Amino acid sequence: DAGVTQSPTHLIKTRGQQVTLRCSPKSGHDTVSWYQQALGQGPQFIFQYYEEEERQRGNFPDRFSGHQFPNYSSELNVNALLLGDSALYLCASSYVGAEGYTFGSGTRLTVV
Amino acid sequence: AQSVTQLDSQVPVFEEAPVELRCNYSSSVSVYLFWYVQYPNQGLQLLLKYLSGSTLVKGINGFEAEFNKSQTSFHLRKPSVHISDTAEYFCAVISSGTYKYIFGTGTRLKVLA
Repeated sequence: DAGVTQSPTHLIKTRGQQVTLRCSPKSGHDTVSWYQQALGQGPQFIFQYYEEEERQRGNFPDRFSGHQFPNYSSELNVNALLLGDSALYLCASSYVGAEGYTFGSGTRLTVV
Repeated sequence: AQSVTQLDSQVPVFEEAPVELRCNYSSSVSVYLFWYVQYPNQGLQLLLKYLSGSTLVKGINGFEAEFNKSQTSFHLRKPSVHISDTAEYFCAVISSGTYKYIFGTGTRLKVLA
């Protein structure tokens, strides 16, 4: 049984560019959350998607946007990249009503 | 605002010794508490969680944690550590009625031979 799958695993982008990260949730899960983990820090909540709608959002600017598809997979888009956006981006999935999430291995984004 | 404090950024311990990783949270509402482990270049793996009921929670790999409501703590313990337990450990909380984890800054456990 596949867990949470994220792609790509590593990515290098230039300041000002746009990036799209992808996440496939664990089988049976319908809720997807995205987190940003800067080096040496704990993960910070970006937003959560359920039923193709953004259900809750953290303190991130509008440059960060997302989408959830009918098959529950999700994308995280970041526009106008800044050096400070360099981080590990983690996707986590669960099924509605459950407490506790399954995390993917993340996408390491480097902005140069 | 909800917060999680992990006072120890690094904890060195010898193999087969016991260890305690400390976690305190701030909240006046019901919370769910979690411990995750992160190995280098990997995502987070759930060790254990407290939702309700018994305050002593047992998890994977021999870890356990005790929920103390009066002290707003959820310390992680293991009676005998192995080299393979070397990793970063994160405490997290979800407040009732919300959907987001608030994570601590992590504790790096280094097990020495």
